[in-house]
Amino acid sequence: QQPVQSPQAVILREGEDAVINCSSSKALYSVHWYRQKHGEAPVFLMILLKGGEQKGHDKISASFNEKKQQSSLYLTASQLSYSGTYFCGTEIRGSNYKLTFGKGTLLTVNP
Amino acid sequence: EPEVTQTPSHQVTQMGQEVILRCVPISNHLYFYWYRQILGQKVEFLVSFYNNEISEKSEIFDDQFSVERPDGSNFTLKIRSTKLEDSAMYFCASSDRIRSSGNTIYFGEGSWLTVV
Repeated sequence: QQPVQSPQAVILREGEDAVINCSSSKALYSVHWYRQKHGEAPVFLMILLKGGEQKGHDKISASFNEKKQQSSLYLTASQLSYSGTYFCGTEIRGSNYKLTFGKGTLLTVNP
Repeated sequence: EPEVTQTPSHQVTQMGQEVILRCVPISNHLYFYWYRQILGQKVEFLVSFYNNEISEKSEIFDDQFSVERPDGSNFTLKIRSTKLEDSAMYFCASSDRIRSSGNTIYFGEGSWLTVV
């Protein structure tokens, strides 16, 4: 039931773009994206509820393809502060509001 | 901004000892969770709690674990007889589960448990 994230790690230079993917084998009700800095708690970025929904703030956005059970997180013109591990959490249809996380994608942004 | 608070931030305990991790969820939230993260690994679901009972638990949440809401504000995780492999960061989380706006789950800062 655990979602699969790719890539496992990505290294960028400041200003470059990145895409992180999350896919599930089960029908999804929602997809949640979190960023975690080393030694800190996961910080909520955004939640996507409906198929095709796209959300974003600043230069971080995400899409949700309900049919394919996939979500992608887009980081545009990356900043040093974007460095961290990005987790997608999925809420499966019919589940009891449980969020299951993928293994994470380690993003490193270098100057 | 309201936040989930956890205590202690770090605890070292001897194998076999009992540990209680405490959490104060966001005040108007009714749904509570414990997650665990072993160093360098993903965040793993342990248990969810609503209306004074467990809603769902994972296979990790065996008989040595228990949760309780002893009063109107605290939510605790007890590990009865700690093992070395229980060493991890334990996150408490809460949500208001308003489905129409999405079940956003907010995490506390975590309690780092080291079993020696």
